[in-house]
Amino acid sequence: DTAVSQTPKYLVTQMGNDKSIKCEQNLGHDTMYWYKQDSKKFLKIMFSYNNKELIINETVPNRFSPKSPDKAHLNLHINSLELGDSAVYFCASSQMLGGQTEAFFGQGTRLTVV
Amino acid sequence: GENVEQHPSTLSVQEGDSAVIKCTYSDSASNYFPWYKQELGKGPQLIIDIRSNVGEKKDQRIAVTLNKTAKHFSLHITETQPEDSAVYFCAAFYNTDKLIFGTGTRLQVFP
Repeated sequence: DTAVSQTPKYLVTQMGNDKSIKCEQNLGHDTMYWYKQDSKKFLKIMFSYNNKELIINETVPNRFSPKSPDKAHLNLHINSLELGDSAVYFCASSQMLGGQTEAFFGQGTRLTVV
Repeated sequence: GENVEQHPSTLSVQEGDSAVIKCTYSDSASNYFPWYKQELGKGPQLIIDIRSNVGEKKDQRIAVTLNKTAKHFSLHITETQPEDSAVYFCAAFYNTDKLIFGTGTRLQVFP
């Protein structure tokens, strides 16, 4: 059973397009995250949600809009894609906010903007 | 600021040797320090973690040490094997709600 699953795994698209990445966790966790990993492997937090409520927005451009329809899902929608958005995006979840427990990561979505 | 420094960025060792990766954090309130291993094409996976109420934790060939006064923590891998080759990340919890990662160490273990 996959704990944190993201789709798609690969996404190639042209500049200016709008795309979405979906994430689902079946661990019953309250908190979900989006991280961006650039070509140098730096992992940077973008957003966190706790029980469908936005908790952290790390000065990410407005073109990025997370949506959490329920606490098991956190999707990422990106408008007007730019070349610099190319990266691997990871979804993660943890048991509770501030609980400082293990974060479980999905397999990543490699986004390439051409 | 919120950052975690990690060294070295790359580390090559012979199979059977030990590997040590060091990290420094800036928030004295941090009290949870996990280590993640990322294999090629996969997401990071927790391998060991330590909380500030202990100074050392060991799990088979992996150990982590924490010096809260100096704000340092380290990962030690003994008797390295080729399957230990991966990118390793340290992390620290900031403001009780944010996991900040180090810059990563690419470990290569040569047979």
